[in-house]
Order: sequence, then C-alpha cells, then structure tokens
Amino acid sequence: DAGVTQSPTHLIKTRGQQVTLRCSPKSGHDTVSWYQQALGQGPQFIFQYYEEEERQRGNFPDRFSGHQFPNYSSELNVNALLLGDSALYLCASSQFRDSHFSGNTIYFGEGSWLTVV
Amino acid sequence: AQKITQTQPGMFVQEKEAVTLDCTYDTSDPSYGLFWYKQPSSGEMIFLIYQGSYDQQNATEGRYSLNFQKARKSANLVISASQLGDSAMYFCAMRGLSFGNEKLTFGTGTRLTIIP
Repeated sequence: DAGVTQSPTHLIKTRGQQVTLRCSPKSGHDTVSWYQQALGQGPQFIFQYYEEEERQRGNFPDRFSGHQFPNYSSELNVNALLLGDSALYLCASSQFRDSHFSGNTIYFGEGSWLTVV
Repeated sequence: AQKITQTQPGMFVQEKEAVTLDCTYDTSDPSYGLFWYKQPSSGEMIFLIYQGSYDQQNATEGRYSLNFQKARKSANLVISASQLGDSAMYFCAMRGLSFGNEKLTFGTGTRLTIIP
C-alpha cells in the first residue's frame, strides 16, 4: 500500500521564478492538503483540495495556487519566488467523508525541499 | 482559532528511560482531535498517535501513550523505554472535527535526543 508520495525531493530555484510541486495521496484517500514548513518551525497550512476544488485556505498570498486532478493527485504552484519561500513543502492526504469523525488520520509525504537563491 | 504550545525546544534523555513531551492547546471548537507526529531529519512527518476530545480513555500505540487532560487543555506524549531511533523532532497538532475540515494546526516542536 503506497503512502503519500511527493516529487521532486529537492530543488533550487532563483528569485522570481515559478515552481511546481507534485503529490500523490495515499491509496483510498481523496483529499490533499499542502503545508509549508520553514526552518525551525512547525508546518503551516496552505490549502486543501477535494473534488478538484480548493476547500480551505490558510494565510498565504495568491502567489500560492494549486490544482487537484481526477485521480486525486495534486500540484502546488508558487509564482514569483521570494527568498522567504525557501522551506520544506509537505503534502498530506486523508478521506473527506471521514473528516468529522474522530480518528480520521492524516498522513504526510516526505516533503519537497525548496531553496530559493 | 486554534493554538498549540510546545514549551520544550529540546530534550536530552538517556536510552531506555521514559520521556514526556509537553503540549497544551487552545480552541473554540467543541469537538477536536489531537495528534502527535515524529519528524526525522529526512523531513517526513510520521503519524504516532491520536486522541479525540470525547474519547474517555487515553490513547496508546505501542511505546507511545497520550496523557490527555481535557480540563487543563494538555495532551502530553509519553514514550516508554526510549531508543536511539527515537531521536527526532516531535510535533503536537490539532484540528476541529467538522465536516470538510482537514486543517491541522501545529506547535513549534520539541527536538528529542536520546543519549546512549
């Protein structure tokens, strides 16, 4: 049973460029969320996708956008990269119909390390 | 709004000893879930244990147990018989249990180092 998979693992971009990160959810999961984790901090929620729509969004600018495909996989796009966007980007998956149930576990991938120079 | 507070930036523990990692929370949600995750240097966030706000008993998963004190709004993680492989960052997190809400709020984490 494949867990949450993310690509690429590491990448380096220049200020002003654009980046796309990819995520495949755990088998049986239909909801994907993205988190940004700056060095020395806890992850911060960016947004959540279900049924190819953004359902929830954290306090991130419009430069951060996403997409979910019919197979539930997802992409995170960041435009006009800033030095402050350097972080570990984590993808998490879960099952939407169980979201209000106690015990609905959220699983994470290994993350994509983004460095902006 | 939700808030998670982890007041121990780092801890050093002798191998085979038990360790308690502190977590306090604040929320206006009537129903919520509390999570603990382990993050090795590789970056992956590994799920350890979960406690629902209406669960009567404290959660246990192998060497991990969650000391849940609802009145004090605390959800401490207890690791029994620590091992060298337990060295990692540990994050406490929570989310409100409402339909469609998958947002986790994390604390700042505790770096645990196990000493041989």
